[in-house]
Amino acid sequence: GQNIDQPTEMTATEGAIVQINCTYQTSGFNGLFWYQQHAGEAPTFLSYNVLDGLEEKGRFSSFLSRSKGYSYLLLKELQMKDSASYLCAAMDSNYQLIWGAGTKLIIKP
Amino acid sequence: DADVTQTPRNRITKTGKRIMLECSQTKGHDRMYWYRQDPGLGLQLIYYSFDVKDINKGEISDGYSVSRQAQAKFSLSLESAIPNQTALYFCATSDHRSDTGELFFGEGSRLTVL
Repeated sequence: GQNIDQPTEMTATEGAIVQINCTYQTSGFNGLFWYQQHAGEAPTFLSYNVLDGLEEKGRFSSFLSRSKGYSYLLLKELQMKDSASYLCAAMDSNYQLIWGAGTKLIIKP
Repeated sequence: DADVTQTPRNRITKTGKRIMLECSQTKGHDRMYWYRQDPGLGLQLIYYSFDVKDINKGEISDGYSVSRQAQAKFSLSLESAIPNQTALYFCATSDHRSDTGELFFGEGSRLTVL
C-alpha cells in the first residue's frame, strides 16, 4: 500500500534549526511536496522536489533521496510564526497526492 | 479577496439532511479538487476535475457527489449527511501548466453533522 510517515509533533526553540523528516512508499513517484498549515487555516505550498538533493528557499530547505524514499524539511532561524503543521505529500505514478498526517511544530521562546 | 473561496465556512446540520459546499476560484486554473481533513489523518481526496467535462472519484467518494458548473466553480454535495462526515473540507485548484503542480487551497468549510 501507499504510505507517508512523519512525526506527529516536534518542539524547537526560537532562533534554532529544526529538521522534519518524511518517509514515503508509493506506487511510482512523481515528486515530493511540503505544505505549511497554520491552525484553522488552509495549507500553503512550501516546496517541491523531484530530483535527489537539497533545494534551498530562504530560511526553508527541502531534501529528497529517491532511493531511500526519504525527504526532510529544514527550517533555520526559527521564528514564532513558524509554529504550524507541516504536511508532507508524495505524488504517485498516477499523479495522485498521498498525504502524511502532518507534523505539528511548536516553537518556544 | 481570496483567490479560492468556499461557502459556507461553517455549517452545522442534522443526520439525513442534504448539504452543498461551494467553491469558486479567480485564478483561472483548470483543475479543481475537494479534500477532507480529519484530526490525525492526512488530507483525503474526495473528487477531482481536470476541466468542466471531467469528473473523477478520489479515494473516499462514497456518500459524496460533485458538480463542475463552470471552470471557476466546483461544488460538493452530501445527499444524506451522516455524523462521520463531520470534518474540515478544502477545495483546491491547480494549473496543468505548472511545473510543480502546486495546489492552491480555499480557506476551508467546517461541517458538523449531528
